[in-house]
Amino acid sequence: AQSVTQPDIHITVSEGASLELRCNYSYGATPYLFWYVQSPGQGLQLLLKYFSGDTLVQGIKGFEAEFKRSQSSFNLRKPSVHWSDAAEYFCAVAPMMGGGADGLTFGKGTHLIIQP
Amino acid sequence: DGGITQSPKYLFRKEGQNVTLSCEQNLNHDAMYWYRQDPGQGLRLIYYSQIVNDFQKGDIAEGYSVSREKKESFPLTVTSAQKNPTAFYLCASSIDPWPDRDGGYTFGSGTRLTVV
Repeated sequence: AQSVTQPDIHITVSEGASLELRCNYSYGATPYLFWYVQSPGQGLQLLLKYFSGDTLVQGIKGFEAEFKRSQSSFNLRKPSVHWSDAAEYFCAVAPMMGGGADGLTFGKGTHLIIQP
Repeated sequence: DGGITQSPKYLFRKEGQNVTLSCEQNLNHDAMYWYRQDPGQGLRLIYYSQIVNDFQKGDIAEGYSVSREKKESFPLTVTSAQKNPTAFYLCASSIDPWPDRDGGYTFGSGTRLTVV
């Protein structure tokens, strides 16, 4: 079964600084990969996804992520964070065979704190 | 606007009582999902349904039940058999069992259930 690891439970970044959130997955083949963001007490919003092709994908709100097959990683980046980026971030995977039929598998999340 | 509506936003239940969480979507999506979210645990799949009148158990189905009598609706019942039901519950949908190319899964804003 696939699994997703987000090594950092909490990350604190100063406003205007760059950000990188780590995500590693365990799966026998390249899966579909997603990053979602969740504000407190809300549902999840899709930031970006990787299905195939260019390994650097652009998303909403100025986020990007890079798929590295050799490292089984899909790290999320942003060059300059804003206070409004403070939220919980989830990495998720779904196998290409069967897609999301069994539901997405989520990491445990990274809580992003923005310092003024 | 199309989306997923979960109600109520907050729900209190006495021990030993069953309670039903509502999830309605007007996106014409085929597949619907229920996730449970606990602090530090990420999202865990409870049940999913790929088509009307059919549903499958997820990773933590014990103590829960669902129905899918209509395409738009996928209610979740938390039964008295669920030993630790206090959690945040999220409903999601996708255009079919595969992550659709426009957005993966669409999530509702969640229901917070508290057992008192």
